[in-house]
Amino acid sequence: QVQLVQSGAEVKKPGASVKVSCNASVYTFTSYGISWVRQAPGQGLEWMGWISTYNGNTNYAQKFQGRVTMTTDTSTSTAYMELRSLRSDDTAVYYCARVSGAVVVYFDYWGQGTLVTVSS
Amino acid sequence: QSVLTQPPSASGTPGQRVTISCSGSSSNTGSNTVNWYQQFPGTAPKLLIYRNNQRPSGVPDRFSGSKSGTSASLAISGLQSEDEADYYCEAWDDSLSGPVFGGGTRLTVL
Repeated sequence: QVQLVQSGAEVKKPGASVKVSCNASVYTFTSYGISWVRQAPGQGLEWMGWISTYNGNTNYAQKFQGRVTMTTDTSTSTAYMELRSLRSDDTAVYYCARVSGAVVVYFDYWGQGTLVTVSS
Repeated sequence: QSVLTQPPSASGTPGQRVTISCSGSSSNTGSNTVNWYQQFPGTAPKLLIYRNNQRPSGVPDRFSGSKSGTSASLAISGLQSEDEADYYCEAWDDSLSGPVFGGGTRLTVL
């Protein structure tokens, strides 16, 4: 069974950065892209961006451009999402999700989520 | 404000059939396929329906999806108590060059 295991909860101060990891297993890591989706408390899902695990190409949602960086380490099948200049409204659960399909994509497996709390 | 519009809540009694709507525009649901996700409190979303009406392996055939024009629907027949969850629709948006989600629908089984 495909597994995406994320790093643990984080508490950060406003202005700081956070880096969340997502370790994939039981499939060929470089055959599927990874997206990051976040969910603020009591709110809906918000797509942050996508990274190709094959060549490292990225596509960030406009809202996060300049503040987010997504990377991968193919040697450990791990994807990373770093968000900088954190604000209180960045408090959310951050999910990584495997991107399936080519032209028509969907998120077929999700990590368990990482709670990031931004508070002074 | 979500790009795709869903009713905030839906309800039904066990055994009943319920539908959840998802409305978008020509740049998303009108020109691309729709996916649906199920999320229980405190857990990650799970893919329920992809490409409008395809079920991943393991999803009961009580769940079905359809799309017409710029609107999509998720139908759940033979409603069960364990179906009580939040449901989200999602589609690629050509204008935004990324996927967009609905605001989610909380389904209550009475």
